[in-house]
Amino acid sequence: GEDVEQSLFLSVREGDSSVINCTYTDSSSTYLYWYKQEPGAGLQLLTYIFSNMDMKQDQRLTVLLNKKDKHLSLRIADTQTGDSAIYFCAESSGYSTLTFGKGTMLLVSP
Amino acid sequence: DTEVTQTPKHLVMGMTNKKSLKCEQHMGHRAMYWYKQKAKKPPELMFVYSYEKLSINESVPSRFSPECPNSSLLNLHLHALQPEDSALYLCASSHLGDYEQYFGPGTRLTVT
Repeated sequence: GEDVEQSLFLSVREGDSSVINCTYTDSSSTYLYWYKQEPGAGLQLLTYIFSNMDMKQDQRLTVLLNKKDKHLSLRIADTQTGDSAIYFCAESSGYSTLTFGKGTMLLVSP
Repeated sequence: DTEVTQTPKHLVMGMTNKKSLKCEQHMGHRAMYWYKQKAKKPPELMFVYSYEKLSINESVPSRFSPECPNSSLLNLHLHALQPEDSALYLCASSHLGDYEQYFGPGTRLTVT
């Protein structure tokens, strides 16, 4: 079945760039997503990329997709303390279902 | 407007109680979802509704009973729950097909 893997924890200093990595196994994935979850809150859709794209940039966020290696990354430029949260990578291959990674906890220190 | 609302925000119930969780969206989405999320875990899909009809039930126990009364509303009826059912229950919606899902803030459920 499908599997999505992420590193569990990342710690950076305010102002640095953060890079969160994700690998997936389903070669039929059509969309890949990044969601942000702050403590006690729901999931906020940050950005997504279609599988025929290599890169997508949206303000401070850059998503890179290496389809050959099934590797997805999320770069956050000029990371702020408000970016501290859990970041979930997710993939879909149709049928309205998402497969989530276990989430990466990002801790931003002043 | 990309908002999904859920009520209540918090719910504490005993194992013999009956309660309902509510979810609403006005984005014209015809797919709606219930997820269960335990602490420090990713969301787990419970149910999917497409055009107000149940299309996916991920082997959820019958003490959870979903209902989709119209295209904007999704309910989750709870009865005879167990303490291990305590979790954050998330609702989401999307257009039908392979489209991004928008999540509500969740209902934090505690079963005593």
